[in-house]
Amino acid sequence: QVQLQESGPGLVKPSQTLSLTCSVSGGSLNSGTYYWSWIRQPAGKGLEWIGRIYTSGDTIYNPSLKSRVTISVDTSKNQFSLKLTSVTAADTAVYYCASLRRGVSYYLDNWGQGTLVTVSS
Amino acid sequence: QSVLTQPPSVSAAPGQKVTFSCSGRRSNIGNNYVSWYQQVPGTVPKLLMYENNKRPSGIPDRFSGSKSGTSATLVITGLQTGDEADYYCGTWDGSLSAVVFGGGTKLTVL
Repeated sequence: QVQLQESGPGLVKPSQTLSLTCSVSGGSLNSGTYYWSWIRQPAGKGLEWIGRIYTSGDTIYNPSLKSRVTISVDTSKNQFSLKLTSVTAADTAVYYCASLRRGVSYYLDNWGQGTLVTVSS
Repeated sequence: QSVLTQPPSVSAAPGQKVTFSCSGRRSNIGNNYVSWYQQVPGTVPKLLMYENNKRPSGIPDRFSGSKSGTSATLVITGLQTGDEADYYCGTWDGSLSAVVFGGGTKLTVL
């Protein structure tokens, strides 16, 4: 079973760039079974999908975040990353990376533990 | 405002049956499979159901799912106190080209 682990700064200043990395173990990013995805969840609120990447580098982003988001992949390290620019307090959330099953349906079957990112000066 | 609509809360007694609803549009639920996620407070969301009615390994058959038109339903029978959690539905939205979720339904086991 694929395992994922997020890493990155827990505190980011307003207007700066949030950067997180997800390390994947127990499987290869190149397996072809998955897209690799980021999701976030503000405290006490619901899930928001940020976007996904395939190992080819093909990306799709949530339209509401598209202008600020970049997801990239490093297959040599079996990692993928998230960058979110011009952050504000509204971007404070727990950020999860997850595997998004490819095929006839889309579902998130393996999740990282999540990492809390606080945007504050 | 979530793309998929879920009631904010539901409650039932241990041993009872509870139903969760999730409504959407043709561009999302109407044309795509639905998945469900369980999030016990303070923990990571866990896949509970995929492709409308398929249970991942380890999910008991007390949990069942269905879809009709632009709505989906998750049912839990034989409710247990450990089922207290937030339940989210999710699917692909072809118009938005995005994975979308409902706002979640909080289950209280009385």
